[in-house]
Amino acid sequence: EAQVTQNPRYLITVTGKKLTVTCSQNMNHEYMSWYRQDPGLGLRQIYYSMNVEVTDKGDVPEGYKVSRKEKRNFPLILESPSPNQTSLYFCASRRGEVRTQYFGPGTRLTVL
Amino acid sequence: GNSVTQMEGPVTLSEEAFLTINCTYTATGYPSLFWYVQYPGEGLQLLLKATKADDKGSNKGFEATYRKETTSFHLEKGSVQVSDSAVYFCALSGFESSGSRLTFGEGTQLTVNP
Repeated sequence: EAQVTQNPRYLITVTGKKLTVTCSQNMNHEYMSWYRQDPGLGLRQIYYSMNVEVTDKGDVPEGYKVSRKEKRNFPLILESPSPNQTSLYFCASRRGEVRTQYFGPGTRLTVL
Repeated sequence: GNSVTQMEGPVTLSEEAFLTINCTYTATGYPSLFWYVQYPGEGLQLLLKATKADDKGSNKGFEATYRKETTSFHLEKGSVQVSDSAVYFCALSGFESSGSRLTFGEGTQLTVNP
């Protein structure tokens, strides 16, 4: 089954404790991205990757890092999480320049 | 830059009522337009899309027409069901120097009562 998976689905952590949210897709898509969803703001792009070893900032990259060492994986790293990063995070992927993106199930992160 | 504006929610309807969720956009060039749906506790699913002016996207009884003259992509359904209760996001994908990316509206919460 074609899908985008994320882990963990739910995470509660404390300020400053480094964490990684994994994202994996099995569709051989070149493009992957991360979004955060906040009430009243819709989804905002954090980082994106056009292909392996090619990443760039989205609209709200501060406090996040990403890497793209393999085509299928695109982890989101929070080196020192803060409470304002409490949010619902979505990973997405698409093939080349086809504009339809496929989304993972989301990761609900709470930073205390 | 690109932007999407959705009608404010939440929207509450009775079963079998007619639904309209307004969406307007600002973009350069010829963006593709999408409606995504998020059911409670789940991720985003593509509901329908349109890639050029006057295209009509449709799925599960929902429809939206790409109107370039009014820069709109309103979502409609003739008879909603309780199972349609969800958050609906309008989005556009336009080409920029960084490649195509999705820009989302704020989302509209729909609740359908029996």
